[in-house]
Amino acid sequence: GNSVTQMEGPVTLSEEAFLTINCTYTATGYPSLFWYVQYPGEGLQLLLKATKADDKGSNKGFEATYRKETTSFHLEKGSVQVSDSAVYFCALTPGDSNYQLIWGAGTKLIIKP
Amino acid sequence: EADIYQTPRYLVIGTGKKITLECSQTMGHDKMYWYQQDPGMELHLIHYSYGVNSTEKGDLSSESTVSRIRTEHFPLTLESARPSHTSQYLCASSDPRGTRGETQYFGPGTRLLVL
Repeated sequence: GNSVTQMEGPVTLSEEAFLTINCTYTATGYPSLFWYVQYPGEGLQLLLKATKADDKGSNKGFEATYRKETTSFHLEKGSVQVSDSAVYFCALTPGDSNYQLIWGAGTKLIIKP
Repeated sequence: EADIYQTPRYLVIGTGKKITLECSQTMGHDKMYWYQQDPGMELHLIHYSYGVNSTEKGDLSSESTVSRIRTEHFPLTLESARPSHTSQYLCASSDPRGTRGETQYFGPGTRLLVL
């Protein structure tokens, strides 16, 4: 089946620290991979995505590389800010259909000044 | 910027009442979705639609119903609200004409509390 596993939160870091949020997946086909972010009091929005192996998605200083050999899509940022505090969701659309997003459980990130 | 709207944003209602959560998008997207989410937790798909007159149930069993009479409008109805329906409801849309890995655009959500 299709599933997404991401590291449990909350993750608490100091400002300017390096961030990694792990995400691994299982998929029946050749999936597309996504990171969505939910800021406090706001709707979910796409942060970045990758649609084929070795692609790197990037946005707002965040990056994630589609690793087919390790079935992973870890989110990284070199220097986090207080404004990055949010809940981050890893997700995939299976290769055999494009309508349904399979979601991870979300990781709450807290950045302290 | 995505143009997808949900009303009301917050709703407190008594058990047994009928409620309709509204969702509208102005992007002309064919696909629309309803998710249920406890705040900050995993999303669960409860309904989706491929276009006008198309509706399907998602993975999470739900006592709600949806309709899709117009492309831009995808309301969700609970005939008889119960405390177990207390949650956040997120509406989303996507454009199937996009490239592989289409993006879903989300509304701000409706927070429902059933007393």
